[in-house]
Amino acid sequence: AQTVTQSQPEMSVQEAETVTLSCTYDTSESDYYLFWYKQPPSRQMILVIRQEAYKQQNATENRFSVNFQKAAKSFSLKISDSQLGDAAMYFCAYRVPYNNNDMRFGAGTRLTVKP
Amino acid sequence: GAGVSQSPSNKVTEKGKDVELRCDPISGHTALYWYRQSLGQGLEFLIYFQGNSAPDKSGLPSDRFSAERTGGSVSTLTIQRTQQEDSAVYLCASSQRVARSTDTQYFGPGTRLTVL
Repeated sequence: AQTVTQSQPEMSVQEAETVTLSCTYDTSESDYYLFWYKQPPSRQMILVIRQEAYKQQNATENRFSVNFQKAAKSFSLKISDSQLGDAAMYFCAYRVPYNNNDMRFGAGTRLTVKP
Repeated sequence: GAGVSQSPSNKVTEKGKDVELRCDPISGHTALYWYRQSLGQGLEFLIYFQGNSAPDKSGLPSDRFSAERTGGSVSTLTIQRTQQEDSAVYLCASSQRVARSTDTQYFGPGTRLTVL
């Protein structure tokens, strides 16, 4: 079974600073996808960034980037120049392509941004 | 609209009553997913639809839970004889399921269910 672990229930960052959220996963698959979703108080799950496991290059989306370490099964999210609007729950998720439902989520990390 | 929509946004019901939650996926998305998010928890998979069929119902927590999807579009999640432990946010997501894609799931805003 695939599991996703987020070891940081809560994190805090000063506005304009950088923060890294951790995620590890357990799988025997070689081909899969990884995602970070943001869930603000509005409850809307918003896709932040995604990474294909077959790509060695780390994905980047503006201020958001990942550090994907396939051998270590680690997929951390770095938020640069943190903004107040970044405050939310962040969920790491894993998916095997073409499986029916094999989308596994971590328990989430609550990020607080201090002005 | 361009995104996944869900209704109602909030639902308060009494224990023992039946409830129906609706999900309207993104137009053209063939796959539809239901998740449950209990307070302070991550997402728990409930059921997946490909078109109108549900090849995987393994996540449904009990036989009080059922779901259907008609016309390959709108889906309804029904909870019969609700219990207090059913209180949660129910999230719906849809995806394109095209060949060799990341098959990213896009989520609706959820329905917060409170069972008194």
